[in-house]
Amino acid sequence: AQSVAQPEDQVNVAEGNPLTVKCTYSVSGNPYLFWYVQYPNRGLQFLLKYITGDNLVKGSYGFEAEFNKSQTSFHLKKPSALVSDSALYFCAVRSGYSSASKIIFGSGTRLSIRP
Amino acid sequence: DAGVTQSPTHLIKTRGQQVTLRCSPKSGHDTVSWYQQALGQGPQFIFQYYEEEERQRGNFPDRFSGHQFPNYSSELNVNALLLGDSALYLCATEGPGDGYTFGSGTRLTVV
Repeated sequence: AQSVAQPEDQVNVAEGNPLTVKCTYSVSGNPYLFWYVQYPNRGLQFLLKYITGDNLVKGSYGFEAEFNKSQTSFHLKKPSALVSDSALYFCAVRSGYSSASKIIFGSGTRLSIRP
Repeated sequence: DAGVTQSPTHLIKTRGQQVTLRCSPKSGHDTVSWYQQALGQGPQFIFQYYEEEERQRGNFPDRFSGHQFPNYSSELNVNALLLGDSALYLCATEGPGDGYTFGSGTRLTVV
């Protein structure tokens, strides 16, 4: 069975500082990993994904994520946080990049950026 | 090109009633997945439809059922509503060469 863990319910960062949102996963076979962001009363917006290749993946709004196979982690990062980055972030995993496999989400991390 | 469209955006139902939520996929998408997101939690997978058949199902009771139509749109039906069914219901669609795209969701409140 596949699973995702986001160990931090909330991350607080000052504007301009780097941010990291943590994610670890468990899946049989090759993992396909995703980050989504959710603003209040909205659906989920895709940020980035890892399928194969370079372990550092760049996505929307200046976010990037680093895939670490040995640590089964896929942490989300940004060099300089903006107040507008404040939102709910979800890590997700899929076992196989096929529509026949479901995507499983973590419980979410609320990111709060203070001015 | 419209993305994924869900209707209605909000609705309020009484315990014991039945509800139908609708999802129109993004153009070119043929797979529809439904998720339930309770307040403060991550989305939980309900089921997935492909070629008008339920292909996968999460850990949800039989009160939750669905349908996919020939035009790939989908419905989620919930019978005998419980207070605990109050949540944001998200539809995600997918197509060949294009990944998951989420709709904005339907906020269901059961009173």
